[in-house]
This record gives sequence, C-alpha cells and structure tokens, in this order.
Amino acid sequence: NAGVTQTPKFQVLKTGQSMTLQCAQDMNHNSMYWYRQDPGMGLRLIYYSASEGTTDKGEVPNGYNVSRLNKREFSLRLESAAPSQTSVYFCATTSPGTENQPQHFGDGTRLSIL
Amino acid sequence: AQSVAQPEDQVNVAEGNPLTVKCTYSVSGNPYLFWYVQYPNRGLQFLLKYITGDNLVKGSYGFEAEFNKSQTSFHLKKPSALVSDSALYFCAVSPGTYKYIFGTGTRLKVLA
Repeated sequence: NAGVTQTPKFQVLKTGQSMTLQCAQDMNHNSMYWYRQDPGMGLRLIYYSASEGTTDKGEVPNGYNVSRLNKREFSLRLESAAPSQTSVYFCATTSPGTENQPQHFGDGTRLSIL
Repeated sequence: AQSVAQPEDQVNVAEGNPLTVKCTYSVSGNPYLFWYVQYPNRGLQFLLKYITGDNLVKGSYGFEAEFNKSQTSFHLKKPSALVSDSALYFCAVSPGTYKYIFGTGTRLKVLA
C-alpha cells in the first residue's frame, strides 16, 4: 500500500536545466497538489488539480508547469531551473469532500539548483 | 489576509511532561483545522482534525487538540511527552474547497 510516491527523491541541477518531478498515487483520490517547503516558510502551494483534466495555480506558480496525466499521476515541471527553486517539493492528495479531509503526502523530492 | 500562526519556532519539553504546541488562525467563516507531524526526510503525516462539535479533539499517538473559537486557536497537546515525539509539527486550516493554509511549523524537542 504505497499511498503517494514521488520520484526522484533527490536531484541536483544546474541553473537553466529542465526537470520533471513525478507523483503517483494509488489511493483513488481525485485531488492532487504540489507544494514547496522552505525553512521558516511552511508549505506553499504551487499548483493543484481538483480532478483529472483540470489544473489551477496556487500561491507560487511562477517558473513551474504541471500535467495531470490521469487520475493517478500529477507531474511538476521546471522548464529553466533557478537557484531560488532550490527546495523540498511535496505532492499531496485528498479524497472527495476536500474541505474536511486531511491531505496525504509523499516523502518529497529534495531539489538543489546550483 | 487569511493566515495561520505558530508563534514558537521550537518547543523543548522533558520526557514525561505535558506538551503544548500553539496555533492561531485568521480565517473567515468556520474553517476546518488540522495538525500534521513531519519526521526527518519524510512527508507530513496527519494527526488530527477539527470540523465541528467537541472542542477537544483526540488524534493519533496520544495527541489531542483544543479548539477555542473566541481566541481562534487550535493548540496541540499531549499529557506525557515521549522522546519519539520529537519532530516538526504543522498546523493547517482549510477555509474552502481545495484551499489549505499551513503554519510555518514548530520543532518539538523532547529531552530524555
């Protein structure tokens, strides 16, 4: 019972390189989210997908794109990585009835951009 | 602006003593409230939630939280701390569909 799986777990990029972070869930949840976690700033929402086929911007979408490939998978792409995007990225899901349901998180991708 | 505040960056408590991790929020309406715990190199794990009803909510691992509407607070508590409780704790509110606002986190250190 994997829950939410993120790949890769670690990555080092050079400024200007591109990369896609992958997230897959086996919980049959409709909603998926991408957050970044920075020291002293908590979690900030980058993008979310309410359901398959839809995506919406969160608090800090600039420099990122997303794809909701199917119900299970939600990917985050950095087209031209910048040092300010060095962070830990978390994918999360919620079951239907999202106002009162807790989020389920993957273990994160630790991304360092030089 | 909607926000969640965790006023303490770190809380230190001796093993066996009660612990409190504070959270206040500024959100209109009647939001849903959550506590999560994060261990090193792991994602956030759900501890408990408040939706409506009793002001004292019981959750996982012996944790509970006290909701106070007049003070807009949702403090996390445990009667007797364990060294294994040492972790990063996040308070979150959901003011609406697909919206979650997280606090900045409080590091709990339980001393043996």
